[in-house]
Amino acid sequence: SQQGEEDPQALSIQEGENATMNCSYKTSINNLQWYRQNSGRGLVHLILIRSNEREKHSGRLRVTLDTSKKSSSLLITASRAADTASYFCATDGPGAGSYQLTFGKGTKLSVIP
Amino acid sequence: DAGVIQSPRHEVTEMGQEVTLRCKPISGHNSLFWYRQTMMRGLELLIYFNNNVPIDDSGMPEDRFSAKMPNASFSTLKIQPSEPRDSAVYFCASSLARGTYSYNEQFFGPGTRLTVL
Repeated sequence: SQQGEEDPQALSIQEGENATMNCSYKTSINNLQWYRQNSGRGLVHLILIRSNEREKHSGRLRVTLDTSKKSSSLLITASRAADTASYFCATDGPGAGSYQLTFGKGTKLSVIP
Repeated sequence: DAGVIQSPRHEVTEMGQEVTLRCKPISGHNSLFWYRQTMMRGLELLIYFNNNVPIDDSGMPEDRFSAKMPNASFSTLKIQPSEPRDSAVYFCASSLARGTYSYNEQFFGPGTRLTVL
């Protein structure tokens, strides 16, 4: 079963707007990661947030993590047409040495020029 | 570094035929993962190896699927016999797992799009 569930399933915005995607998960985690997948390509790692962190930034990306609610959000600011892709959250854990990632089904983001 | 390399990129075969997918992980990585992606099920982990040893193959759908990693630089996923429901994109990913709580970012290959007629 999927550990992470992204919301919304699809999102369409105008270029320059901000895009927010949410992820909920069921069990305790060590880390939560966000990946991007362009059409016809493999997944590309964007950012990782550890379970003891609450917020992390990388360029135009901002990730928050609320372990009490078992949820995370990915914010892309000032979106560009090139941000059009599917975005997946992935969790690992619980437990030590947990190298497996469990992916959600993704949010399909369309940025309209 | 060339990244994770997968071959072939596309495979069209007929039901009942054997299919072999190949993966070369990033040099120095010690963990390798095979995933299957479909519209219905999303991204599913099939099997993963650590230091060439299969650790968890609970995601392998059935006995028709098998995977090997004879050395640190090569892995295969074989389907025999193939069925139309095996049609999907198959991804290989590798990572460097270090220590108890590792930063296990995974690097994905471009995928093999398999169509079984």
